[in-house]
Amino acid sequence: EPEVTQTPSHQVTQMGQEVILRCVPISNHLYFYWYRQILGQKVEFLVSFYNNEISEKSEIFDDQFSVERPDGSNFTLKIRSTKLEDSAMYFCASSELDRGPDGYTFGSGTRLTVV
Amino acid sequence: QKEVEQNSGPLSVPEGAIASLNCTYSDRGSQSFFWYRQYSGKSPELIMSIYSNGDKEDGRFTAQLNKASQYVSLLIRDSQPSDSATYLCAFDTGRRALTFGSGTRLQVQP
Repeated sequence: EPEVTQTPSHQVTQMGQEVILRCVPISNHLYFYWYRQILGQKVEFLVSFYNNEISEKSEIFDDQFSVERPDGSNFTLKIRSTKLEDSAMYFCASSELDRGPDGYTFGSGTRLTVV
Repeated sequence: QKEVEQNSGPLSVPEGAIASLNCTYSDRGSQSFFWYRQYSGKSPELIMSIYSNGDKEDGRFTAQLNKASQYVSLLIRDSQPSDSATYLCAFDTGRRALTFGSGTRLQVQP
């Protein structure tokens, strides 16, 4: 079964450093998403991406965050200057063009720890 | 602020029993509702989606939706220890983005 692949599975970074989280969506999917989950809290929507541009973003997704599809297979989330409160599990998801959330496939997540 | 409310639990049921999980939501315009299962440290896994008032059954799972009461529930029949997880209720904001509840932790006792 096709999978969404996320790397790394765990990243530790110092406060103020830039991090890039990587995702390889399913090959025929055209919508891509990032969600995060702070430990013990809700899964929260960050951003959706379609046709090489942001489709929707939440209030969390401020100027410190950016997304990019640098080539035909990767989808990245960059955090420019990490804060302690950015420590969370970050999930990538993808879906086909004509499917909404019932067609999501989530990746296994990247645990980001900011120290 | 569009919200989803769930009892955090834990909800403890004996093996073989019916587990009943409940969720209320604030956005009357919501049309699509989802139940996800999440094991500790893992990603959410879709169990059921429901769009119309009434019941929807899939194997041991039944989702119930009442839009007038802004209420969604999930019944798990013949609960198994492997069903022990956190169950997340979510709705689609209409913009391909999910709003999740904080989840109900289910413990199935062998």
